[in-house]
Amino acid sequence: AQTVTQSQPEMSVQEAETVTLSCTYDTSESNYYLFWYKQPPSRQMILVIRQEAYKQQNATENRFSVNFQKAAKSFSLKISDSQLGDTAMYFCAHTGTASKLTFGTGTRLQVTL
Amino acid sequence: GAVVSQHPSRVICKSGTSVKIECRSLDFQATTMFWYRQFPKQSLMLMATSNEGSKATYEQGVEKDKFLINHASLTLSTLTVTSAHPEDSSFYICSARDHNYGYTFGSGTRLTVV
Repeated sequence: AQTVTQSQPEMSVQEAETVTLSCTYDTSESNYYLFWYKQPPSRQMILVIRQEAYKQQNATENRFSVNFQKAAKSFSLKISDSQLGDTAMYFCAHTGTASKLTFGTGTRLQVTL
Repeated sequence: GAVVSQHPSRVICKSGTSVKIECRSLDFQATTMFWYRQFPKQSLMLMATSNEGSKATYEQGVEKDKFLINHASLTLSTLTVTSAHPEDSSFYICSARDHNYGYTFGSGTRLTVV
């Protein structure tokens, strides 16, 4: 069975600073996708970044980047130049051939002035 | 980008009645849609996978007779909560797999059963 673990229930970062959210996963599949989703207070799920497991290069999207360590089954998210609008719940997720997403328990990120 | 519309956003119903939630993919065809339930401050729990033209696949522990799912077209899936009880009160979210192998989510439905 696929599992996704987020060991940081809450994180806090000051505006303009950098923060890293951790995620580990377990899967027996060789071909899969990993995601980070953001859920602000509106509760709309927003895709932050996606990584294909077969790609060695870490995905980046503007201020967001990942550190994908396939052998260690680790997929951390780095947010640079944090902004107040980054305050949200962040969920790490995995999908394989079954196509259904498995979510971690989430990390609540608070960006402060 | 891909858009998924979910309605209603909020609904209050009396105990014992049924409530239908709609999930539509607006600019792409979704052969597969997913229904999640989310309790306050918790993660999304997959309830079922909805496949166009066939029966839904329910996750273990989810009552298929209580949570009826219909995926009659490539753009519409519905979740009907039958004989609702207060413990069914929750936030329900749908998701569709789009052509770029991503997942687009609806805005969610807050169901309150009184």
